Amino acid sequence: KQEVTQIPAALSVPEGENLVLNCSFTDSAIYNLQWFRQDPGKGLTSLLLIQSSQREQTSGRLNASLDKSSGRSTLYIAASQPGDSATYLCAVGRTYKYIFGTGTRLKVLA
Amino acid sequence: DVKVTQSSRYLVKRTGEKVFLECVQDMDHENMFWYRQDPGLGLRLIYFSYDVKMKEKGDIPEGYSVSREKKERFSLILESASTNQTSMYLCASSLVSQETQYFGPGTRLLVL
Repeated sequence: KQEVTQIPAALSVPEGENLVLNCSFTDSAIYNLQWFRQDPGKGLTSLLLIQSSQREQTSGRLNASLDKSSGRSTLYIAASQPGDSATYLCAVGRTYKYIFGTGTRLKVLA
Repeated sequence: DVKVTQSSRYLVKRTGEKVFLECVQDMDHENMFWYRQDPGLGLRLIYFSYDVKMKEKGDIPEGYSVSREKKERFSLILESASTNQTSMYLCASSLVSQETQYFGPGTRLLVL
C-alpha cells in the first residue's frame, strides 16, 4: 500500500531564504507526482506536475524534482516571500487515484 | 482557466439528515473526484468518476454515495449524516487520468 510522507510537518523561515520541502513515497510504481499549495480554509492549487518519465519541473521560483528509484521528491522555493506562507502537499498518482501526504505548513516571516 | 465550484462553503446539518454536496466543473473534464480532508489524516478519496454515470469507490466510501448524470456535475450524497462525517469536503476534476487535478474551494460540513 502506497504511503506518502512529508517532513517536516511545519517550517518557519525568514523572508528571502531558499528552502526545500521533502516528500517520500513507499511504492515507486507511480505515474506522476503533483505538488499543491493550500491556503487556510481553501481548496488546493496545483503548482507542478512531474510525470514519471521526468526528473524535474520548474515554474518561476519553484522547482520540483522526482527520484522514483529512491521514492523521493523535493520542492525547492527560491527567495521565499511572506506570500508563500501556506501548506504544501505532495500527491503521487497511479491510474485514477492520488495518494496525498499530510503536508508541510510553511510560514515565511517578514 | 479551469473553474471548479462547490455548492456551499459551509453547511450545518443534523444527525440522520440526507445531505447533498454538489460540484460543477466548466472545462469538459472526464474525471471528477470527491475527497475529505481531516487534520492529521490528510486528503482521502471517497469516490471518483471517469465518465458520465460511471463511478468507482475510493478508499473510504462507507456512508457515502455519488451521482454523475451530466459530465460537468458530480454530487456527493450522505444518506444519513453522522457526526463522524464532520469534515472538509473537496471536489476535484482532471481532463484525463494522470493529468493535473483542479480543486474546488471546499465545503466545510458540521454534523450536529
